[in-house]
Amino acid sequence: KQEVTQIPAALSVPEGENLVLNCSFTDSAIYNLQWFRQDPGKGLTSLLLIQSSQREQTSGRLNASLDKSSGRSTLYIAASQPGDSATYLCAVQAGTALIFGKGTTLSVSS
Amino acid sequence: GAGVSQSPSNKVTEKGKDVELRCDPISGHTALYWYRQSLGQGLEFLIYFQGNSAPDKSGLPSDRFSAERTGGSVSTLTIQRTQQEDSAVYLCASSLARSDEQFFGPGTRLTVL
Repeated sequence: KQEVTQIPAALSVPEGENLVLNCSFTDSAIYNLQWFRQDPGKGLTSLLLIQSSQREQTSGRLNASLDKSSGRSTLYIAASQPGDSATYLCAVQAGTALIFGKGTTLSVSS
Repeated sequence: GAGVSQSPSNKVTEKGKDVELRCDPISGHTALYWYRQSLGQGLEFLIYFQGNSAPDKSGLPSDRFSAERTGGSVSTLTIQRTQQEDSAVYLCASSLARSDEQFFGPGTRLTVL
């Protein structure tokens, strides 16, 4: 059974720091991995999608990598801003639907 | 263009009543998913529709839960005889096809008293 783990569960950093969020999954047979952002009381906003054949994707200050063989993905956020404060969720699609981690709650202080 | 929309945004009901939650996917998306997000369980899959194929209902927690998708577009999730443990945020997502990027709606927060 596929399980997704995100470490750390919470992270606090000062504005301007570069940071890395970690995601691991137990079964490497996946179609893709998707990173989402969730603000309190809101739905999920898709940040990056990495197909199983890809190694990384970039969007602005965000870079996500995928190492399928080791079951790991990282989300790198450059020059963090207070507006980046949110919960970040990692999810893998191995069958029909996405299987989610519990998320990392990020707080960026000004 | 318009994203995924859901209604109502909030629903408060009494234990034992039936509720219907609605999802309007992004136009042209053939795949539609329902998920549930609760404090103790995180985000869990409920049901998946792909075009005119039979839905994948493997995530539905009990036979009180059902869903339909009419005309390959709008979907309705129905919960019969609601229980307090059904209280959660119900999220709908759509994608062009299975294994494509999923886009989520804002969710319906269901509270069962």
